[in-house]
Amino acid sequence: DAGVTQSPTHLIKTRGQHVTLRCSPISGHKSVSWYQQVLGQGPQFIFQYYEKEERGRGNFPDRFSARQFPNYSSELNVNALLLGDSALYLCASSLNRGEWYTFGSGTRLTVV
Amino acid sequence: SQQGEEDPQALSIQEGENATMNCSYKTSINNLQWYRQNSGRGLVHLILIRSNEREKHSGRLRVTLDTSKKSSSLLITASRAADTASYFCATDAVDDKIIFGKGTRLHILP
Repeated sequence: DAGVTQSPTHLIKTRGQHVTLRCSPISGHKSVSWYQQVLGQGPQFIFQYYEKEERGRGNFPDRFSARQFPNYSSELNVNALLLGDSALYLCASSLNRGEWYTFGSGTRLTVV
Repeated sequence: SQQGEEDPQALSIQEGENATMNCSYKTSINNLQWYRQNSGRGLVHLILIRSNEREKHSGRLRVTLDTSKKSSSLLITASRAADTASYFCATDAVDDKIIFGKGTRLHILP
């Protein structure tokens, strides 16, 4: 079984641009969550989706949005990129809510 | 900040010794999870303990949970060089937010 896959693995964007990050969960996993991790810090929770509905949202501005598709894959969108958005973006999936998560390897976003 | 707290921030021990890391959190939780991360890439799940459990074991790992003190500890026994990594606790809160701590960087000395 394939693990959680994220694309792209690396990305360089210019300030003000828009970015879309993609995540495919483990087959059968219905819950997907997104995190931002800057160097030396723990992951910061951005969103949790379960059965295609937003179930939890972290303290991130409205420039951050996400959605989950009928096949349970997910996209994270960030508008009007700032230099401070440079980070590792991690996606994780779990079978159901309240279970442990399997993480992808992340997308390294650099904003210049 | 929405993050929990872990201590110590960094820990260096000799191979074969035990390592203990602590985690404190602020909200009511469904469960608490511990993860390991190598080289700033994806996290690997170690153990999950539910709010109605007090202690759990998995191989060389022992986790305790005290919901009255809102704290947890992770004990790694008989440490090995391969245990060198960053360790994070994460709380699955009742409001559907998953809150990670800042992590403990563990270094196992040969």
